[in-house]
Amino acid sequence: DAKTTQPNSMESNEEEPVHLPCNHSTISGTDYIHWYRQLPSQGPEYVIHGLTSNVNNRMASLAIAEDRKSSTLILHRATLRDAAVYYCILDIQGGKLIFGQGTELSVKP
Amino acid sequence: DGGITQSPKYLFRKEGQNVTLSCEQNLNHDAMYWYRQDPGQGLRLIYYSQIVNDFQKGDIAEGYSVSREKKESFPLTVTSAQKNPTAFYLCASSIDRELEQYFGPGTRLTVT
Repeated sequence: DAKTTQPNSMESNEEEPVHLPCNHSTISGTDYIHWYRQLPSQGPEYVIHGLTSNVNNRMASLAIAEDRKSSTLILHRATLRDAAVYYCILDIQGGKLIFGQGTELSVKP
Repeated sequence: DGGITQSPKYLFRKEGQNVTLSCEQNLNHDAMYWYRQDPGQGLRLIYYSQIVNDFQKGDIAEGYSVSREKKESFPLTVTSAQKNPTAFYLCASSIDRELEQYFGPGTRLTVT
């Protein structure tokens, strides 16, 4: 199974940028990189996804390494509402998402 | 309001009983999915369906069954054959299988 590796937890201060890393050294050429986040006892929420080029949307930016073996989710100004578990996921079969344990992000006021 | 709903939020059953979890969406999405989440873990795919009357097993389908008779509905039955059914169950849908998935609020099933 295509696998991702993320730190178990990270801390950030409110209104500062946050860079959440993800390694996916076994990625193949057609695998999309997805990011979702999850608050306790809620369903995950889509954040962003990309294939090769960097991507921006209203929630975040996704920076993908040139060799595609790693990527970074960037929250430009963390807020308290951004505290969640962030999952970096490879979409290996067009919709079949394989979730790891994710990174628990805490945001300090 | 468009969205995906799951009911009930909490469900309690005795061991040996089958139980069906509801998932409904009014987003006109073709693809629907069922995941299971255990404490401190990521989600694992149980079943998915790309169109009506068609579905495929995910990574942990044993002890579960699904049906997709209507585009809007994708119920999951947890049978007595599922050895560890207590978990948080999440349903999701997407326009097609290549795009982002929208998740419901989840059903927390406890079997004693």
